[in-house]
Amino acid sequence: GDSVTQMEGPVTLSEEAFLTINCTYTATGYPSLFWYVQYPGEGLQLLLKATKADDKGSNKGFEATYRKETTSFHLEKGSVQVSDSAVYFCALSDQSGGGADGLTFGKGTHLIIQP
Amino acid sequence: GAGVSQSPSNKVTEKGKDVELRCDPISGHTALYWYRQRLGQGLEFLIYFQGNSAPDKSGLPSDRFSAERTGESVSTLTIQRTQQEDSAVYLCASSFYDNEQFFGPGTRLTVL
Repeated sequence: GDSVTQMEGPVTLSEEAFLTINCTYTATGYPSLFWYVQYPGEGLQLLLKATKADDKGSNKGFEATYRKETTSFHLEKGSVQVSDSAVYFCALSDQSGGGADGLTFGKGTHLIIQP
Repeated sequence: GAGVSQSPSNKVTEKGKDVELRCDPISGHTALYWYRQRLGQGLEFLIYFQGNSAPDKSGLPSDRFSAERTGESVSTLTIQRTQQEDSAVYLCASSFYDNEQFFGPGTRLTVL
């Protein structure tokens, strides 16, 4: 079945550092890929997505590129802020947003940004 | 409403008791999803409704779990004879057909 693997956390960085959170996936067909974020005390929010190979999703300074050849969707940000501290989840779907099989999530990466 | 709401936010119960978790989706959203997040694990998909129909219930962990939805409105997830391994955060999400899912804040279930 489908699966998502993302780097274990916590990841601790200083403010203005460069961020990469690795995500690789296993899926049949051509899934859509997502990054969700959960800020402290809040629910999961969609951060960005990409629906086909070589697409780049971007939002709030974060970017991720759908790499079919390496089955990856790594999350990057050039200069992190304290407010980026949260748990980040990589996810995939066989359909555009979910559908009958729902989303398949990784275990989440806890990101801590120190001032 | 403005977003997906879930109740209760926290539930502590004794092993063997039944619990009912409620989800109110965003008004107009046709699809509704339930997920479970156990400590240190990713979200585990449980069940999907399109309207009040759930075409596949195989994601429910055991026959102690059941879910219903009234039309395109509220959904309840019921766990009978709770076990300690049922302790988790139960998340609900809704979407307009199969587009972006919007998540609720979750219900934290603790089975003693």
